[in-house]
Formats: sequence, C-alpha cells, structure tokens
Amino acid sequence: GEDVEQSLFLSVREGDSSVINCTYTDSSSTYLYWYKQEPGAGLQLLTYIFSNMDMKQDQRLTVLLNKKDKHLSLRIADTQTGDSAIYFCADVTGTASKLTFGTGTRLQVTL
Amino acid sequence: KAGVTQTPRYLIKTRGQQVTLSCSPISGHRSVSWYQQTPGQGLQFLFEYFSETQRNKGNFPGRFSGRQFSNSRSEMNVSTLELGDSALYLCASSSGGQTYNEQFFGPGTRLTVL
Repeated sequence: GEDVEQSLFLSVREGDSSVINCTYTDSSSTYLYWYKQEPGAGLQLLTYIFSNMDMKQDQRLTVLLNKKDKHLSLRIADTQTGDSAIYFCADVTGTASKLTFGTGTRLQVTL
Repeated sequence: KAGVTQTPRYLIKTRGQQVTLSCSPISGHRSVSWYQQTPGQGLQFLFEYFSETQRNKGNFPGRFSGRQFSNSRSEMNVSTLELGDSALYLCASSSGGQTYNEQFFGPGTRLTVL
C-alpha cells in the first residue's frame, strides 16, 4: 500500500526558515496536503498542492513538489514560536476523502 | 459556520467494554471520515460515510463500525475494547466531492482503555 515518510524532528531558531520534507510512494497521488497539529488539538489544514503543480506559495508557506522523486517539502519563512507543532503531510490517491498521512515531523522553535 | 464537533472529548473504558463516539460535521457537509491516531501507528483511516452510506473503508477489524444519520451526524462504535484501541479518534467533514475537497477536522476524542 501507499507509504508516506517524514523525518521525526526539526529544531530551528526563531526567525530562521524551516523546511519539512516528505516522501511518498504512490505515483498516482492527485494532490497532497500539509496539516499542523498543536498539543491536544485536531488537525489544521495549512495548504495543499495539486499533483500537476511544482510549487505553491501562501504567505509564509512555500510548498515544493518533485513528482519524479516523489518528494514534497514545506518551507516556513520567518519561523515563530507559535509555529511549534507537529506537521503532517498527507496524500490522496483515488477517493478524495481517504488521506494517507506521513509519520509527522515535530518542529521545535527556539529563541 | 460552526466547526466540526466531537463528543465526548475524553473517555475512559475497560477492556471488553464497547464505546460510541459522535461527530457532528460542518453544516452542509455530507461526508464524515474517521481516523485513529496512535503514537505507534500514526494517523490511520478507519472509514468514510457519505449520505448515510459507508463509501470507503480502511484496514481495521470488524469491531470498528460506524453509521451516519440523515442530518450527516456520524457515530463510531468500537466493541470488545482492547488496550491497543487507546488512541485519539479524529473525524473530518467535507462536502464529499470526488475530486479535491477540503477536509475539516474536529478536536478528537481521546479514548483510554484500561
């Protein structure tokens, strides 16, 4: 079945850029999401990218998609302490309502 | 619009019992999906209901079941609870379209099985 992998932990200093990476195995992915989860909370959709796009920018967030390598990244510019959370990538293959999530990357922002 | 609500937020049960969790989607949304989140297995898709019918199913045993009512509210039931069922159960609502459709997640129900 589909597999989505992420590194477990990333630590950055406040004001720096953060880059969170994700790899997936299913080449038929139609679109991919990035979600944020804060402690004790559900999942908040940050952004998404269609599989026919290479890049998408949304304020401080930039998503890059390399379909050839099945690699997705999320760049957060000017990272703030409020960005500390777990970030999940998720892809959709086939039915639009079934998401396959990555393992999650815990982002720690230090002063 | 009110967001997705899940009740209860926290639940403690013992092995062998059964439990029912509830999810109220955003008004107008017809699809409700359920996910299980555990430290070991991460986020896994349980099933999706659309217009009162189960439309998709993940790889969970038959002890996990669900239903959806005519007002799109959904319930998830787990029978004969096992320790490994301790998890955060998240539901997501969407319009249910077959192409892109944004899924909005609730805060989750944290189930602890003792």
